[in-house]
Amino acid sequence: EIVLTQSPATLSLSPGERATLSCRASQSVGSSLAWYQQKPGQAPRLLIYDASSRATGIPARFSGSGSGTDFTLTISSLEPEDFAVYYCQQRNNWPLTFGGGTKVEIK
Amino acid sequence: EVQLVESGGDLVQRGGSLRLSCAASGFTFSSYEMNWVRQAPGKGLEWISYISVSGSTKHYADSVKGRFTISRDNAKNSLYLQMNSLRADDTAIYYCALGSWDYWGQGTLVTVSS
Repeated sequence: EIVLTQSPATLSLSPGERATLSCRASQSVGSSLAWYQQKPGQAPRLLIYDASSRATGIPARFSGSGSGTDFTLTISSLEPEDFAVYYCQQRNNWPLTFGGGTKVEIK
Repeated sequence: EVQLVESGGDLVQRGGSLRLSCAASGFTFSSYEMNWVRQAPGKGLEWISYISVSGSTKHYADSVKGRFTISRDNAKNSLYLQMNSLRADDTAIYYCALGSWDYWGQGTLVTVSS
């Protein structure tokens, strides 16, 4: 099973700041990595797939990069609605796995 | 509009069984792979099962293998999860999601009492 390790666990930032979230895989997943945003009481929302492709309707301030074992989700300038928990997911191998999540909170 | 609506969640005793359903609408259900994902209270996401378009290929997480069975009825636009031998650590919100992962249901809560 591929283990995804997300860091940091919590990121305390102010609106307008840049957020950089990391996801590291225990073995290569190629570019088969996705990022999700989840707010309390809601289902996850797909942000990025194939490591760097934005899903439909996702604002340009969200970007993904990386390949192999190291991946990054960047939010260029945090909006109030961006404070949430973010998860990475690998789709390269069965079983599919998610990272433990990074909570982006208001500083 | 794509809609996925889960149902069937309930309070059940340890060792019991439950069948979850996911009703799909607004798209050609028979053309999409489907998944189940769960989230224990206050915890992260856990993928638990996948089914191919025809239903001939299925995958499971080790945590549910041998106890849970995924199935689909393309004529009824429905996805199912049969859960047997339920344990306390199966307590979670269960989501169905399209194989493209861009649409998820709102989830249904399963609580297993010990």
